[in-house]
Amino acid sequence: EAQVTQNPRYLITVTGKKLTVTCSQNMNHEYMSWYRQDPGLGLRQIYYSMNVEVTDKGDVPEGYKVSRKEKRNFPLILESPSPNQTSLYFCASSLGTGGTDTQYFGPGTRLTVL
Amino acid sequence: ILNVEQSPQSLHVQEGDSTNFTCSFPSSNFYALHWYRWETAKSPEALFVMTLNGDEKKKGRISATLNTKEGYSYLYIKGSQPEDSATYLCAFNPYSSNTGKLIFGQGTTLQVKP
Repeated sequence: EAQVTQNPRYLITVTGKKLTVTCSQNMNHEYMSWYRQDPGLGLRQIYYSMNVEVTDKGDVPEGYKVSRKEKRNFPLILESPSPNQTSLYFCASSLGTGGTDTQYFGPGTRLTVL
Repeated sequence: ILNVEQSPQSLHVQEGDSTNFTCSFPSSNFYALHWYRWETAKSPEALFVMTLNGDEKKKGRISATLNTKEGYSYLYIKGSQPEDSATYLCAFNPYSSNTGKLIFGQGTTLQVKP
């Protein structure tokens, strides 16, 4: 089944404890992206990757890191999480980087930083 | 700053009612407009991608229209059913971007009462 998977789905952690949220897609998509969703705000892009070893900042990159060593994986790293990073996170992928390419979303990771 | 606005923020209708909501985007910088449907505890799923002024797309009881000159898109649901309850997101792709970037509105949450 074609899909985007994320792990973990739920995570409660404490300030300063490094964590990684994994994202994997099995559709051979070029483009991958991370978003965060906060109440009253639209999905905001954190980082994106147009291909292996090519990553760039989105609109809200502060406090996050990413890597794209393989085409299928795009992990999101929080080196020192803070309470303002409590949010719902989505990973998404699309076949290409064109404006009409549909993005396919993972199931979401709900992160709470105490 | 490119901004996407959706209205209303939330909507409660009775089963069988028809409804519509609006997505407003910058008309001067348009490339594509996406609509997504996001059910609680699930991933956002693509409904439509629209590119041409006057475009109209339809999927079952859901349809969408696009006016790029004035910068808005309408989403219509005919004869709403409880299973239509979800948050409907629109996302704008600006012409200046070749990064697959999508700028999301905050969504319209629809609740259909049986």
